[in-house]
Order: sequence, then structure tokens, then C-alpha cells
Amino acid sequence: DVKVTQSSRYLVKRTGEKVFLECVQDMDHENMFWYRQDPGLGLRLIYFSYDVKMKEKGDIPEGYSVSREKKERFSLILESASTNQTSMYLCASMRTNNSPLHFGNGTRLTVT
Amino acid sequence: GQQVMQIPQYQHVQEGEDFTTYCNSSTTLSNIQWYKQRPGGHPVFLIQLVKSGEVKKQKRLTFQFGEAKKNSSLHITATQTTDVGTYFCAGPRGSGTYKYIFGTGTRLKVLA
Repeated sequence: DVKVTQSSRYLVKRTGEKVFLECVQDMDHENMFWYRQDPGLGLRLIYFSYDVKMKEKGDIPEGYSVSREKKERFSLILESASTNQTSMYLCASMRTNNSPLHFGNGTRLTVT
Repeated sequence: GQQVMQIPQYQHVQEGEDFTTYCNSSTTLSNIQWYKQRPGGHPVFLIQLVKSGEVKKQKRLTFQFGEAKKNSSLHITATQTTDVGTYFCAGPRGSGTYKYIFGTGTRLKVLA
């Protein structure tokens, strides 16, 4: 079974802080994703990466950046956290195009 | 832009009743995936439909992909308390893409 591990289950940060969310997958998947989930809005794609050091913007990239230095690790960075970034963040990996997304357990981030 | 809508947003049913959620895309989809998210959990892949008019069954769950490949449905027969959760559909943005757009989800509650 694919395992996608997110480093923190809950995080509380202050406005203006730089925040790092880490994600690791153990199945050698090329593709990794960051989504945020908000009530009534479903899951929205922030960024994804299709190879080491390669990234592409999703639907809501503003205020976020990503880093993929190793195949198994994909980091989401909030350069200067704001209260409207309070959300559930879900990391996922995918083996190939049109194969299932495998999600981590999520990180619930609160920005105060 | 491309949108994927789901109805209803919420559904409460008595245990043993049937349940259906509908997914509608503003554009033709090359495939559609369905996910289930238990309360407090992360989305878990259920199934993928590819062909126009395709119908697939998983025990009490029946999935359909519309003839025009713009809509899909998930029907659960004789719901059980284990069916509780939020059901999401997801379709790729364009063809040959890793960007999956998620529907807003249908939250199912089953009353014992």
C-alpha cells in the first residue's frame, strides 16, 4: 500500500510567520500534489510536481510556494501566513496520469 | 473555467434507505474518479470510470458515467452506518493532465 505521510496533524501559527508543511511518499511516485480543503468548497489544487525540481501551479497558488528536492518529498511553504490560509491541507501522490490519488492524513493549520 | 458540481451537498438517510449523489462537469471528461472521506479522515479512492455510459458496481455501490461524459452518479443501495462520510467526484482538467478538479462533495449521514 502507498503511504503518504504528512509531518504534522495540527499546526497553529501566527500571522506573518513562514510555515513549512512536509509530505513524504514511499512508493516512488513521480507526481505529488498539495490541496487545501474548506467546507463547501471541496478540494482545491494549490501546486503539483511531476518530477524533482519541477512544479506547476494549480488553481489557487497565490501566497504559497513549493519545493521538491527529492522524489519522495514535497514541501508546501506559506511565505507569510495569513488568517485566510487557515484550512486543512492534504498532500497526495499519483503514480501516472489517470491513476488514483493517494492522500496523506492532512494537516489542519490554524493561523491566528 | 472548468467546474465540477455535486448535488446534494448534504443528505441524511435512515439506515436501509438508498442514496444517490450526482456529479456534473461543465466540460467533457476523459475519466472520472470517486473518493470517500470518512469523518476526520482523508479521501480514499473508490473507483475510476473511463468509457461513455460505463457502469461499475462495488457491492452495494453502483457508479455510472454519462453518455456525454459530462456527468456521473454514485448510488448506494440499503445504506449502512459504515457508509457515513463525504463522497467526492474528481475529473481531470483537459486531457493528459495530472490536474484533477474535485467536486464540492456530498456529505452523507446515516441514521440508525
